[in-house]
Order: sequence, then C-alpha cells, then structure tokens
Amino acid sequence: QVTLRESGPALVKPTQTLTLTCTLSGFSLNTSKMCVSWIRQPPGKALEWLARIDWDDEKYYNTSLKTRLTISKDTSNTQVVLTMTNVDPVDTATYYCARTTSVPTHLPGYFYHMDVWGKGTTVTVSS
Amino acid sequence: DIQMTQSPSSLSVSVGDRVTISCRASQNIDGFLTWFQQKPGKAPKLLIYAASTLQSGVPSRFSGSGSGTDFTLTISSLQPEDFATYYCQQNYRTPLFTFGGGTRVEFK
Repeated sequence: QVTLRESGPALVKPTQTLTLTCTLSGFSLNTSKMCVSWIRQPPGKALEWLARIDWDDEKYYNTSLKTRLTISKDTSNTQVVLTMTNVDPVDTATYYCARTTSVPTHLPGYFYHMDVWGKGTTVTVSS
Repeated sequence: DIQMTQSPSSLSVSVGDRVTISCRASQNIDGFLTWFQQKPGKAPKLLIYAASTLQSGVPSRFSGSGSGTDFTLTISSLQPEDFATYYCQQNYRTPLFTFGGGTRVEFK
C-alpha cells in the first residue's frame, strides 16, 4: 500500500526556516519516473504547488517561491525534505506531499500526475 | 505561468442533480488536465486525469471532457458523498503545475 506522511513543526516564528519531511511507504524514489511533490493550502484557500523532486534527483520549484525553497531526498529514497526560509504569516497553511508519477495516456509525451497524497501537516507562522 | 480559472466558485445543488463545473486555461494545454475532489479537513483525491480518464476506483457518475483551453467536470447524479470542493490542475507545463481556484458544491 502506497502512503506518504508529512511531519514538521506546527508553529514557526516569522523569519525562521521551516523544515518539513515526507516519509514514503510502499514505493521508492529510485524507480524511474517516480517523483514527489509538495503542495500547500492556506486556510480557506486554493491549492498551490511548491516543488518536485524526481527519481534522478532533478528538482523543480514554484517560480514565485524559488529563492526560498529547497527540496531534497535521503540516500534511502524513502524521505523527502522541503525547507522554506524566511517564513511569514502568509505561509500559514496545510502542507501536503504527493507521489507524482508518469502514466500512459492518449496524449503525446509524459503525463505526470499526483495520484497519492499524504494527510497533510498544518503549519502556523506566528510570533 | 498558465492560469486556471474555474466557474462557478460555488453552487448549491440537491442529491440527484446533474452538476457541471468548468475550468479554463489561459493558454492551450491540449488534454493535460486533472480533476481533484477535496472534502473538509482531508487531502485532495485524484478523480480524472488526461482530461477524461477516470482514476481507478472513482464512480462512473464522474466524467471529464474538453481539450485546448476549456474543460468540464460532470457529475451525472450527485450523491451525498459528493458534496466537496473540486479543483482542476494543468499538467501541460509540467512540473510547474497550477491549480484552479476551486468550486465548492454545497447542499441546497
């Protein structure tokens, strides 16, 4: 069974660095075309994609947050870490990680989708 | 970035109603579109990908259509468990995914 579990601090002070961990079970990031994405959702608002790391260690970031985010994976390929520097109250949100895989479709090229999500972890930024 | 616009932002419906939600992309995304369902306090659930392919285990009352810039999610006969918020998401400019603003389906 594929599961993902997010963990991290529930409360962070403004200007601090937030570190979140996604622990994978039932799959590994050393499989071709396997990736993990981070997504967040402020209270009452829409989803926002943050970052993705691929099986081959390629990394991608939301353009508007790129300077503050770093995504990495451990050597066992079972944990993915997202760090966000200089947090602000607007970063208060539920943070999700999601397995991102390529599936065959009728479309040209690869179709990557986020098919299994963790339950999320709620982070509040406040002094 | 590709912008995704959903309409309406909310709708009030009854059990058994046919529900249609629209999603428009700011540029052509072919069929690179995914629909999610999210219930309060829960993570999003994948419903449909590649605009019209039903994810395994999703009831057949859900369907998706469209290509290019205009897409539709249809629920043929709304069930009590379908009251939720629905999001579209473009996969065209992968990995830079973007979501729509969501459509909340509420009980009339």
